[in-house]
Amino acid sequence: QVQLQESGPGLVKPSQTLSLTCTVSGGSISSGSYYWSWIRQPAGKGLEWIGRIYTSGITNYNPSLKSRVTMSVDTSKNQFSLKVSSVTAADTAVYYCARGSAQDAFDIWGQGTMVTVSS
Amino acid sequence: DIQMTQSPSSLSASVGDRVTITCRASQGISNYLAWYQQRPGKVPKLLIYAASTLQSGVPSRFSGSGSGTDFTLTISSLQPEDVATYYCQNYNSAPITFGQGTPLEIK
Repeated sequence: QVQLQESGPGLVKPSQTLSLTCTVSGGSISSGSYYWSWIRQPAGKGLEWIGRIYTSGITNYNPSLKSRVTMSVDTSKNQFSLKVSSVTAADTAVYYCARGSAQDAFDIWGQGTMVTVSS
Repeated sequence: DIQMTQSPSSLSASVGDRVTITCRASQGISNYLAWYQQRPGKVPKLLIYAASTLQSGVPSRFSGSGSGTDFTLTISSLQPEDVATYYCQNYNSAPITFGQGTPLEIK
């Protein structure tokens, strides 16, 4: 079955760029009518959707983060990626990648990766 | 943006109780409403999508209803393993939005 796994640095300095990759295994990232999302969750707080990307390259971002977020997809590697620029302590969170669709919502999630913004 | 508001803000109930959590959207979202369960320290798990469709493998004591702006998640007989925070989500139109979450504990 399809599985997702986040990877990337666990510590990022303030003002730098956070970069994460989600690797899709057990199936092709290009199959089906799916989009691929990033969600984050600060410690003790709720879920915040960051954005989504289709394998066509079309993206939608959360307006609250739009100016700092870039998503990309590499179908040859079965991966999609997230970049958040100019990070501050407020970007410290567990970051999840997830598969979504208009039919099934977010049915598959990665295990999450903790990212701390600190000098 | 569509705001999702859950009530109650927290909930405490006894094993075997019927539990209901509501979610209100700030504008109509048809049935593009999902419910997730997040146990402490765990990854969110999809329970219900399309407002009332039970995800495969989810116990039948969970059910969902509603359409438009008002939705409900019901647990027919609360079990100890249901201790978690529950989130509703508008998942079609961007930006996708989550409710603030409802922590559920056992009395």
